[in-house]
Amino acid sequence: EDQVTQSPEALRLQEGESSSLNCSYTVSGLRGLFWYRQDPGKGPEFLFTLYSAGEEKEKERLKATLTKKESFLHITAPKPEDSATYLCAVRTGGSYIPTFGRGTSLIVHP
Amino acid sequence: DVKVTQSSRYLVKRTGEKVFLECVQDMDHENMFWYRQDPGLGLRLIYFSYDVKMKEKGDIPEGYSVSREKKERFSLILESASTNQTSMYLCASWTSGLDEQFFGPGTRLTVL
Repeated sequence: EDQVTQSPEALRLQEGESSSLNCSYTVSGLRGLFWYRQDPGKGPEFLFTLYSAGEEKEKERLKATLTKKESFLHITAPKPEDSATYLCAVRTGGSYIPTFGRGTSLIVHP
Repeated sequence: DVKVTQSSRYLVKRTGEKVFLECVQDMDHENMFWYRQDPGLGLRLIYFSYDVKMKEKGDIPEGYSVSREKKERFSLILESASTNQTSMYLCASWTSGLDEQFFGPGTRLTVL
């Protein structure tokens, strides 16, 4: 059974304090790893898709990386507007049904 | 821009009522999903549809049914609402051509 574990569950940072969120996965035949951002009371918003170990993608202060067992979402010099829940999901084989982790709640204090 | 819209942002219903949640996507996506999201439990898949009139049960289909008569529309039906179905309901769509899942804004359902 595919498993996705995100850590930490919650993270509090000061503005400008860089850190990383972790998504570890146990799947057979990874077809894609996805990161989403979700603001309170809203639907998740797609951020990145990663396909193979060593791949990296960046968007503003966010950088996602992928290894064979985990992915990291690095947040450089975060701002309060980066506060949100970040979700990780994986897709395997020919299925279009992703398996989601439970998310990391990030709060950035000014 | 792909848009996924849901019929209501907030809904309050009484126990035993039949509830319809509607989702519409405007980009001709084949795959559509209904999830519920609860604190501490994350996103849980209720039903998935990969084509018109085709559906698959997700992890928690009990108490729910779905309908997909047109490609752009996917409805979630609570046959007899119960208080344990109070939750945030999220619809999503996905096409094989674009490896991204697009979510709607969500419907916060409260069953009294």
